[in-house]
Amino acid sequence: QVQLQESGPGLVKPLQTLSLTCTVSGGSISTGGYYWSWIRQHPGKGLEWIGYIYYSGSTYYNPSLKSRVTMSVDTSKNQFSLKLSSVTAADTAVYYCARRMAAAGTFDIWGRGTMVTVSS
Amino acid sequence: SYVLTQPPSVSVAPGQTARITCGGNNIGSKSVHWYQQKPGQAPVLVVYDDSDRPSGIPERLSGSNSGITATLTISRVEAGDEADYYCQVWDSSSGHYVFGTGTKVTVL
Repeated sequence: QVQLQESGPGLVKPLQTLSLTCTVSGGSISTGGYYWSWIRQHPGKGLEWIGYIYYSGSTYYNPSLKSRVTMSVDTSKNQFSLKLSSVTAADTAVYYCARRMAAAGTFDIWGRGTMVTVSS
Repeated sequence: SYVLTQPPSVSVAPGQTARITCGGNNIGSKSVHWYQQKPGQAPVLVVYDDSDRPSGIPERLSGSNSGITATLTISRVEAGDEADYYCQVWDSSSGHYVFGTGTKVTVL
């Protein structure tokens, strides 16, 4: 079955760019009908949707983060990525990648998450 | 922006029924999805489109959406049901996927 795994630095300096990659295994990212998403969770808090990307490269971002977010997809590696620029301590969170079902606006498969701390 | 409100906590004895509510403006017009998150783990989808269950989710977990509030019901509660639960919708007016504030279910 499809599994997702996040990877990337656990520590990022303020004002730098956070970069994470999600590797999809057990299925092809190019399979239509799914949108590949990023969601974060601040420590001890709730969930915040960041955005999603389709295998074709089309994207949709949370309006509140749109100016700092860039997502990309590499179908040859079965991966998709997140870049969040100009980070501050407020971006410290666990970052999850997740698969969104196109037929339903819900996230049916999640990665285990990766903790990213913004600190000098 | 659209807000989904959940009670911070619900306590229930084993074998009893837990009901977790999710309130939002005109929520009846939206499809509501529910996730279970245990400590240190990623969320798991337990109910989608108000009342459908993914394969592998026990029938003890069920959802409903009355129009005023959406509700996740856990029947015959077990110790393993202890977790945080989040509701979620797509808000077309803001272009947002919105998650609820979360409810911690404690099994007494």
